Amino acid sequence: DAGVIQSPRHEVTEMGQEVTLRCKPISGHDYLFWYRQTMMRGLELLIYFNNNVPIDDSGMPEDRFSAKMPNASFSTLKIQPSEPRDSAVYFCASSFWSSGNTIYFGEGSWLTVV
Amino acid sequence: DAKTTQPPSMDCAEGRAANLPCNHSTISGNEYVYWYRQIHSQGPQYIIHGLKNNETNEMASLIITEDRKSSTLILPHATLRDTAVYYCIVRVRETSGSRLTFGEGTQLTVNP
Repeated sequence: DAGVIQSPRHEVTEMGQEVTLRCKPISGHDYLFWYRQTMMRGLELLIYFNNNVPIDDSGMPEDRFSAKMPNASFSTLKIQPSEPRDSAVYFCASSFWSSGNTIYFGEGSWLTVV
Repeated sequence: DAKTTQPPSMDCAEGRAANLPCNHSTISGNEYVYWYRQIHSQGPQYIIHGLKNNETNEMASLIITEDRKSSTLILPHATLRDTAVYYCIVRVRETSGSRLTFGEGTQLTVNP
């Protein structure tokens, strides 16, 4: 089992640039989550999808952030334009409908905006 | 969701049992207790969950008090690799975890 796969693992970008983070959930899972982790705010849920449809995006900080899930095996989180305060670790996670709150996380994408 | 309270940090000697407490005095009858951990630089990892009975799996044991107002996660023989932040989360067991909210957790340090 390959687990949740995220890319890139590390990214350093300049303020104003577009950033795209990618995620491949575990095969067969029908829920996908994007979390962000910072020292100040801890782990925050940004958005989650069910069967490729966004269900709750109330955690998305602002319009600069967007997430898509074009199919069951791929999702992106885009930040445009990026700002230094977006520097964080972004985690993608997935789960199966009957698993309750057992969620499987990827290794994270470490983003630094300078 | 019921609020949880955990000590910010704990230490444990390698090979000894690590007992991590969690208070959830406002837990509702249909809320489960979930434990996750996060090893430095990795994503959170599910450990165990329970409703009212004690639970055990290959990773840990979960002891829930009879009144369900507190619980203890037990790592029976802690190793250095168990050093991590441990999160106690109380949540209704929906078909999937929509807004799983992580608090501050307990930083467990296993010492050689």
